[in-house]
Amino acid sequence: ELKVEQNPLFLSMQEGKNYTIYCNYSTTSDRLYWYRQDPGKSLESLFVLLSNGAVKQEGRLMASLDTKARLSTLHITAAVHDLSATYFCAVENLVYQLIWGAGTKLIIKP
Amino acid sequence: KAGVTQTPRYLIKTRGQQVTLSCSPISGHRSVSWYQQTPGQGLQFLFEYFSETQRNKGNFPGRFSGRQFSNSRSEMNVSTLELGDSALYLCASSWPHDGSTLETQYFGPGTRLLVL
Repeated sequence: ELKVEQNPLFLSMQEGKNYTIYCNYSTTSDRLYWYRQDPGKSLESLFVLLSNGAVKQEGRLMASLDTKARLSTLHITAAVHDLSATYFCAVENLVYQLIWGAGTKLIIKP
Repeated sequence: KAGVTQTPRYLIKTRGQQVTLSCSPISGHRSVSWYQQTPGQGLQFLFEYFSETQRNKGNFPGRFSGRQFSNSRSEMNVSTLELGDSALYLCASSWPHDGSTLETQYFGPGTRLLVL
């Protein structure tokens, strides 16, 4: 059974700092997604990572995937307040289902 | 292109009642998935439909059911509501190129259900 673990679950940081959110999963998968959710809102797609070594970047966010280690990272560079949100990773299994991490609540203080 | 729409946005029901939630996917999207989100359990998969066929179902009791119509619109139904069914119900659609994977899912705003 595919399981997805995110850490940390909560992260409070200062603007301008760098940090990384980790997403580990238990069985082989070639598709990993990162989503963002603002309080009281729905989920917004950030990245889809499709192969080993994949790296995607958008603004201050960069996501990477290591399928051998079953690990994805979401790196935040020089954080700004607008990036405060909950970030989820999700891994696709073989039967049309996304298995979700618990989410990382990120608070960025001015 | 219009996004995923869900109706109603908010709903208050009492225990024992039933409820039907509706989802209209992005035009051209053929896969629709439903999720339940609660503070305690996080995001939990309910079911996925592709071209009117349910391809997978999560670990929810039979009170939770769904269907997809020929225009890809989808509904989910919860019968005999329980207090624990209070949650945000999210619908997501995607355009699987060949149906073999989900591809990126685009989420609707959700229906917030409160069961009293």
